[in-house]
Amino acid sequence: DGGITQSPKYLFRKEGQNVTLSCEQNLNHDAMYWYRQDPGQGLRLIYYSQIVNDFQKGDIAEGYSVSREKKESFPLTVTSAQKNPTAFYLCASMTGDNSNQPQHFGDGTRLSIL
Amino acid sequence: GQNIDQPTEMTATEGAIVQINCTYQTSGFNGLFWYQQHAGEAPTFLSYNVLDGLEEKGRFSSFLSRSKGYSYLLLKELQMKDSASYLCAVRDHGNTGFQKLVFGTGTRLLVSP
Repeated sequence: DGGITQSPKYLFRKEGQNVTLSCEQNLNHDAMYWYRQDPGQGLRLIYYSQIVNDFQKGDIAEGYSVSREKKESFPLTVTSAQKNPTAFYLCASMTGDNSNQPQHFGDGTRLSIL
Repeated sequence: GQNIDQPTEMTATEGAIVQINCTYQTSGFNGLFWYQQHAGEAPTFLSYNVLDGLEEKGRFSSFLSRSKGYSYLLLKELQMKDSASYLCAVRDHGNTGFQKLVFGTGTRLLVSP
């Protein structure tokens, strides 16, 4: 079955530590996205990538970094510069064309500070 | 700029009909999606509109008016399991040509017996 796999499901970060959230898709989608969701809030775009080796900052990119070395993978690193990292992180992918195909989401990673 | 507005919260009774509105302003509209999200879970796709009019899918329907920058999601024969947040998202190709979804803050629907 095709889909998006995020890991881990829960992650704890110590102060000053960088952590990396994994996102893998086997849907053959060109575009991949990272969102942050805070309690009772909508989704805010962190980074997105339309093709391999290229990515763009979203609305709240400060304190985060990404890479897109393979089409299937789009890991997100939460750096120590992100002072308020506690949130629910969602990875998504979508075809790169104008079709009616929706954005597919992974099950999310819940990040907390120790 | 981009702006999507939805009501924060709505309540309804089991078996009733509820309409969740969404208004938007984007620079490069290229389709509107509705998602359902239960607490602590990922959003799941409900419907897609790119042309004006009504799209019906079982108990759920979605309407779009591009000239008014307006959409609504209609839920019929409400069930308790419909209690969730409903997210309106606009596909925008912006100035770069890259396509992304811009999400509203979501409408939390509470269905009571």
